[in-house]
Amino acid sequence: ETGVTQSPTHLIKTRGQQVTLRCSSQSGHNTVSWYQQALGQGPQFIFQYYREEENGRGNFPPRFSGLQFPNYSSELNVNALELDDSALYLCASKDTSGDSEQFFGPGTRLTVL
Amino acid sequence: EDQVTQSPEALRLQEGESSSLNCSYTVSGLRGLFWYRQDPGKGPEFLFTLYSAGEEKEKERLKATLTKKESFLHITAPKPEDSATYLCAVRKSSGDKLTFGTGTRLAVRP
Repeated sequence: ETGVTQSPTHLIKTRGQQVTLRCSSQSGHNTVSWYQQALGQGPQFIFQYYREEENGRGNFPPRFSGLQFPNYSSELNVNALELDDSALYLCASKDTSGDSEQFFGPGTRLTVL
Repeated sequence: EDQVTQSPEALRLQEGESSSLNCSYTVSGLRGLFWYRQDPGKGPEFLFTLYSAGEEKEKERLKATLTKKESFLHITAPKPEDSATYLCAVRKSSGDKLTFGTGTRLAVRP
């Protein structure tokens, strides 16, 4: 059983640019959530995808968007990058069982200069 | 609004010195309280889920307990490899969103 994988590991962008982060869910998991974790803080929920549709969203502006593909992998897109977008972006997957746990990937460290 | 507060922010222990980490929460309709361990620069690693007051779960040197207002993560005779940030999160009855605390940074000295 493979765990959650994310790419790239690290990324450096400049203000105003756009970025795409990728996530492959754990085998057998069809629900993917994205979180942003600033340094010294807990992860903050961005949104969740289930059956290729957004299924819940946190307090993030529309320039944060996502996709889920038929194989349950997912992308997080961030447009018009700001300095405050610098953070560790985490992907988590779970199966459809209501009380199942979310398992996290290793994250992508995004630095915006 | 859901709130999760963890204390202390940081904790330094001598190897073998037992202690407890606290997670207090305010959420309407709790459907699970989660403990994760996070090493620097890595993703959170799942430890426990607790669903109802009075529930306890154990794994090696860790034991998690839950009341109606807070959860404790007890660490018995810790080792240096237990050094990490421990995160607490809650999930409410509607949806899968996890609301996290800011974590407790634990350092265990040999």
